[in-house]
Amino acid sequence: QSALTQSRSVSGSPGQSVTISCTGTSSDVGGYNYVSWYQQHPGKAPKLMIYDVSKRPSGVPDRFSGSKSGNTASLTISGLQAEDEADYYCCSYAGSYTSVFGTGTKVTVL
Amino acid sequence: QLQLQESGPGLVKPSETLSLTCTVSGGSISSSSYYWGWIRQPPGKGLEWIGTIYYSGNAYYNPSLKSRVTISADTSKNQFSLKLSSVTATDTAVYYCASVPGVVRWDIDYWGQGTLVTVSS
Repeated sequence: QSALTQSRSVSGSPGQSVTISCTGTSSDVGGYNYVSWYQQHPGKAPKLMIYDVSKRPSGVPDRFSGSKSGNTASLTISGLQAEDEADYYCCSYAGSYTSVFGTGTKVTVL
Repeated sequence: QLQLQESGPGLVKPSETLSLTCTVSGGSISSSSYYWGWIRQPPGKGLEWIGTIYYSGNAYYNPSLKSRVTISADTSKNQFSLKLSSVTATDTAVYYCASVPGVVRWDIDYWGQGTLVTVSS
């Protein structure tokens, strides 16, 4: 199980859109529609933002959206806000009731 | 709404066994709707999935840690536990317990606050 690959950092101005990619293999991202995304502010536990590739839990703004194509999943944040500055991790089911996380992406709001 | 709370020693000596317990409130670990998991995060680094357990007692582990990890559950106390043997400094991390609504989906909907475990003599 190797960590999924994410870009190290992305940045954008308030109101802009940013997209984070998450690349795995056919044994994880490409093999299942169980990709989730987590937001983590410094010193805090991660928070679920997207599950099942593109579903939003109750309370998550619709500015956050997810998608997947082949072995790569993506998280898009539209209308970037200051509070969106955080680390973001993707996660995929990898079979046998286990999962693998991405390497993490730092989102900076300029 | 589920609440999870980790507990255990914050300092473990090299070569010894790290032991943590997660106490669940707001729901039962005997629920057939959930798996219960452990995740860790070394300081300044990313998240790593350690393993999960189902109410039946079946446990599933990250292959890279499998030889050293045991996850168990105590339904009478509504708790599940993590044991990691032969620890080294690389096992220093914040350890999170979490709930996975694994029957119809696979993600982490609730997290504990995390507990820092330092491996040092």
